[in-house]
Order: sequence, then C-alpha cells, then structure tokens
Amino acid sequence: GNSVTQMEGPVTLSEEAFLTINCTYTATGYPSLFWYVQYPGEGLQLLLKATKADDKGSNKGFEATYRKETTSFHLEKGSVQVSDSAVYFCALSDNTDKLIFGTGTRLQVFP
Amino acid sequence: DTAVSQTPKYLVTQMGNDKSIKCEQNLGHDTMYWYKQDSKKFLKIMFSYNNKELIINETVPNRFSPKSPDKAHLNLHINSLELGDSAVYFCASSQDLDNEQFFGPGTRLTVL
Repeated sequence: GNSVTQMEGPVTLSEEAFLTINCTYTATGYPSLFWYVQYPGEGLQLLLKATKADDKGSNKGFEATYRKETTSFHLEKGSVQVSDSAVYFCALSDNTDKLIFGTGTRLQVFP
Repeated sequence: DTAVSQTPKYLVTQMGNDKSIKCEQNLGHDTMYWYKQDSKKFLKIMFSYNNKELIINETVPNRFSPKSPDKAHLNLHINSLELGDSAVYFCASSQDLDNEQFFGPGTRLTVL
C-alpha cells in the first residue's frame, strides 16, 4: 500500500543553518505531496504542497520539489530560525480523500 | 474567524466512561475527518465523511462512533473508554476534490 518514510529526528540545528528533512514515498499512480508543520501545542498547518512531478512547493522560505524518479519530496530551508522549531510531517494523498502521513520529524533550532 | 474548531481542548476521564468530542468547520467544505495522534506523534486517519456520509473507516473499534448532523459538523463519540484511547484527536476538513486539509487545534484525551 501507499506509505511515507521520513528521516527520524530530532534534527538539532543552530540558527541560520541549512535544513534538509528527507521524505520518500511509495504510491501507485500520481499522488499529491504535502508538508505539514505542527508547532508546540497546536494543530497541523499546511506548509507547502506539490501536485505533480517536478512541481516545487514553497512557503515561508521552505521549499520541496516533487521528484518522481527518486520518489522523494525533501524539505529544505536555507537559514532556519528559532521560530521554525516544530514537528514536520510529510504526507501524500492518492485522491481517495485520505492523507497518509510520515512519522514526523522534530526540528529544534537553538540561538 | 476560526476555520476548524474542536471542543473541548482537553478531556480527562476515567476508564469505562463515554465521552464526545465536537468539531465544526466554517469553510464550506464537503469532507471532514478525524485523526488520532499517539504519544510518539504518529498521525493516523480514523474516519472520513463526505456530505454527511461515511467514506473512510480505518478499522477503528466499534466503540468509536462518528456522527455528522450536517456537513459542517463531525462529532466523535467514544464508548467504554480505555487507557489506549489516550491521544490527541484532530478534526480536519477539505473540499471534495481538493485534498488540502485544514486541521483543528486538537483535543487531548487522557483516560485514567
């Protein structure tokens, strides 16, 4: 079945460091791909998405490119801030009204 | 102007009790969902409703019964609560053909 695999956390970085959180997926057909972010004590918020191969989603300095050949959707940011500390979830949707989430990666950014 | 709201935010109860969590969305979406997030932050879908009809039921025990009185509401009733039901429950909604989902703030359920 469809699944999403994320790198295990926590990822610990200093402010202004470069961030990569890896995400790969297994799916039949052409799923849509998402990154959600969960700040401490809050619900999930959509961070960015891509709906077809080679699309790049971007928001708040974060980017991810839909790579069909490597079945990946890695999240990147050039310079992280303390306020980016949160749990990041990669997810896919195969158009069955169901989101399948990865296990989440906790990011901790220190000043 | 809250988009997806849930009540209560926190719920502490004894084993064996029956409890309900309410969810409302004011986005005009056709589809609503319940997710369970366990202590390790793993998120898994429980139910999906489209226009008040059950679409997805991910092998959730019969003790969990969603109720959708109209397409803006999807409530979750849980009978005979067990320790393993302790988790954060998230409601979400989306337009039918657009799978971008909007999440509520979550309800932290603790069963003692």
